[in-house]
Amino acid sequence: DQQVKQNSPSLSVQEGRISILNCDYTNSMFDYFLWYKKYPAEGPTFLISISSIKDKNEDGRFTVFLNKSAKHLSLHIVPSQPGDSAVYFCAASSNTGNQFYFGTGTSLTVIP
Amino acid sequence: DAGVIQSPRHEVTEMGQEVTLRCKPISGHNSLFWYRQTMMRGLELLIYFNNNVPIDDSGMPEDRFSAKMPNASFSTLKIQPSEPRDSAVYFCASSLSHRVGLFFGEGSRLTVL
Repeated sequence: DQQVKQNSPSLSVQEGRISILNCDYTNSMFDYFLWYKKYPAEGPTFLISISSIKDKNEDGRFTVFLNKSAKHLSLHIVPSQPGDSAVYFCAASSNTGNQFYFGTGTSLTVIP
Repeated sequence: DAGVIQSPRHEVTEMGQEVTLRCKPISGHNSLFWYRQTMMRGLELLIYFNNNVPIDDSGMPEDRFSAKMPNASFSTLKIQPSEPRDSAVYFCASSLSHRVGLFFGEGSRLTVL
């Protein structure tokens, strides 16, 4: 059963506008959440993370929001750039183990 | 520093053949993970090792799949016999702790004809 879900397989956004990628999880034991970015023919690379003790973490154009009560997190990219076009994976882990659970990914296309 | 190194990058084989994928984790990382990327399930965890010991192999699809980590710097994922439905990109990743995150290799694209 998928413990981390990304319900939007794809998203298209105009350059300069905001991109919002969503992720839901089911396991309340998760205490650390990460976003990875993947270009074709490359491995996923770490983008940004957030601990469950926070509700927001910002790094330049990227901000991750965490809503623990809703078991929901989102990644905001503003302003979006064509180079942001990639597949974005949401992941979660807990301190009870060293596993990382990934969503199915959202393919973002930023239109110039 | 070298990242996670996987080989081969591409493998084309015929159904029934044995396939071995290789991974060298980042030096000093104590956990190693094998993932398979599929459209339906995204990045699917197959197995992970902690300090060279397999911890959870519940994601290994069937007995045709096996993985080993004989030492801290090398792991293999073997499929024997291979089937067309095994065609996918297989990623190896390593980690120092769950709060540091995963570092992925570039993947091995397997095509079974």
